[in-house]
Amino acid sequence: ETGVTQTPRHLVMGMTNKKSLKCEQHLGHNAMYWYKQSAKKPLELMFVYSLEERVENNSVPSRFSPECPNSSHLFLHLHTLQPEDSALYLCASSQDTSGREQFFGPGTRLTVL
Amino acid sequence: GENVEQHPSTLSVQEGDSAVIKCTYSDSASNYFPWYKQELGKRPQLIIDIRSNVGEKKDQRIAVTLNKTAKHFSLHITETQPEDSAVYFCAASPADSSYKLIFGSGTRLLVRP
Repeated sequence: ETGVTQTPRHLVMGMTNKKSLKCEQHLGHNAMYWYKQSAKKPLELMFVYSLEERVENNSVPSRFSPECPNSSHLFLHLHTLQPEDSALYLCASSQDTSGREQFFGPGTRLTVL
Repeated sequence: GENVEQHPSTLSVQEGDSAVIKCTYSDSASNYFPWYKQELGKRPQLIIDIRSNVGEKKDQRIAVTLNKTAKHFSLHITETQPEDSAVYFCAASPADSSYKLIFGSGTRLLVRP
């Protein structure tokens, strides 16, 4: 597997469920990102990690909890979500955080019932 | 913070015609401006980028121009083909937080055969 991968590709969950999204990059990059893509805000930055340290938390509600155990893996833990959280969640990575190309994963389509 | 405006939101052109998408940004210190293409159901992918020390960059049928004084940059696609149909996003990277890409709202381009 090359590039940036995400699992699952589709997820349906109830508002009381707890689930996790996983992202893995095979590019040797040091920075990883979570974006939310919806009709209202097409590409909205949520979190940025550089060398496993969080450098940006873009006013995201606490029901979204990121985790970066190493530079190749990024998780987004979800709990007590709302229907308006339904969106495509995209992971991306870049070589570093100095303004370079970001490589996106295929996304997880999340539906909250 | 940085704000990026993108126009038009939709653009329909005849195959073979040119397409132009324009973006303006608010932070004069921004220094990196990528363009991403997202085909239906696919991930965003970088198609061209430009840095603030350059006024124009070209790659085959696509070109980007940057006007730092006016704080706007544009994507030009010549000899459009049906496979150019997609959503195009511009972005700007603020100099003081270069790990961030602030995206425009996207332009849906339709190339009619």
